[in-house]
Amino acid sequence: GAGVSQSPSNKVTEKGKDVELRCDPISGHTALYWYRQSLGQGLEFLIYFQGNSAPDKSGLPSDRFSAERTGGSVSTLTIQRTQQEDSAVYLCASSFPGLAQPQHFGDGTRLSIL
Amino acid sequence: AQSVTQLDSQVPVFEEAPVELRCNYSSSVSVYLFWYVQYPNQGLQLLLKYLSGSTLVESINGFEAEFNKSQTSFHLRKPSVHISDTAEYFCAVSDGAGGTSYGKLTFGQGTILTVHP
Repeated sequence: GAGVSQSPSNKVTEKGKDVELRCDPISGHTALYWYRQSLGQGLEFLIYFQGNSAPDKSGLPSDRFSAERTGGSVSTLTIQRTQQEDSAVYLCASSFPGLAQPQHFGDGTRLSIL
Repeated sequence: AQSVTQLDSQVPVFEEAPVELRCNYSSSVSVYLFWYVQYPNQGLQLLLKYLSGSTLVESINGFEAEFNKSQTSFHLRKPSVHISDTAEYFCAVSDGAGGTSYGKLTFGQGTILTVHP
């Protein structure tokens, strides 16, 4: 079956532009996570969605970051007015709900801010 | 807050030699522990997990990890490595800190395993 799909795989943009990253989770997985992987900070949690519940946005680094999940499936992570420190790999993961459920990761979007 | 420490950032080893990648986590009431592997330009793949029960867990490709509650450790081992095991390995913990009921993962900094012929 299909795994977690992320697009684009690479994105290069100029400082100050807005970017939108997309994640298509595994069918049937109601839990969806976004993480950021950067050289200086390692892997950091950004945001969590579960079904129709309010998302946990506690990991978003600033108000330039936002995310939504439409219809309980596809999610988009939007970064407004990008800065050079936003350069990183953005990973999406999905799972069945619960603490003990292993997460399945996409291949990520490598974002480079010039 | 939960923290995960991987004590070695890089581990070079020769093919067919044994290897141990170390992972320690901060104490919590109960934790779920995971090892993920990342190959270049790919996402993370689950290698193995400890949820409950037997403290020794094994993966299908020869890796094993042992949960040690008293030492708050979850070290990853393989008795004989292959060139194809070259990758970065991440230890991760899910513990429901702050009353969360979902699997928000806290990751270690990663260990790059390089297997030389």
